[in-house]
Amino acid sequence: AQSVTQPDIHITVSEGASLELRCNYSYGATPYLFWYVQSPGQGLQLLLKYFSGDTLVQGIKGFEAEFKRSQSSFNLRKPSVHWSDAAEYFCAVGARNNNDMRFGAGTRLTVKP
Amino acid sequence: ETGVTQSPTHLIKTRGQQVTLRCSSQSGHNTVSWYQQALGQGPQFIFQYYREEENGRGNFPPRFSGLQFPNYSSELNVNALELDDSALYLCASSSSGGQVETQYFGPGTRLLVL
Repeated sequence: AQSVTQPDIHITVSEGASLELRCNYSYGATPYLFWYVQSPGQGLQLLLKYFSGDTLVQGIKGFEAEFKRSQSSFNLRKPSVHWSDAAEYFCAVGARNNNDMRFGAGTRLTVKP
Repeated sequence: ETGVTQSPTHLIKTRGQQVTLRCSSQSGHNTVSWYQQALGQGPQFIFQYYREEENGRGNFPPRFSGLQFPNYSSELNVNALELDDSALYLCASSSSGGQVETQYFGPGTRLLVL
């Protein structure tokens, strides 16, 4: 069965510092991987996605993620965090047609001034 | 181009009642998926509708049902509400049920069951 684990419930970083959010997945076939961000009281916004090809994918807002099949990981990174990046981040793995997408429990990011 | 909209934004019901939540998909999208997000958790997939037919279902009981209309808008119906049904309900639309497509999420409906 497919599943996603986000080991870090809450992360605090200083503004301008680098960020890495961890995501490990379990999936029996080719994984389709996503990172979403959710601000308080809002829906989810797609940051980036990986389907195939280059294992380093670029997303919006300066985020990138690297797919490592050998480690079953899809970690999200940003070189310099801005105060506006404070939010909840969700990693997800999906089937080809999105009809059974599984989300992790999320990582809450706090940004210190 | 309008995004995904959901109504109502908030709802309070009592245990045993029934509720209907609505979702208007983004223009040009023919697939709608529904998710339940309990407080402090990630979204859980309820089901997906593609061209008015159910196209996949998560681990939710039959009292969770849905519809998709010819204009691709959708409804989620929950019967016999339980306290644990209190959650944020999200819908997401995409442009095809047969390929991997980006889903666009609405802002959600927050349901409180007392």
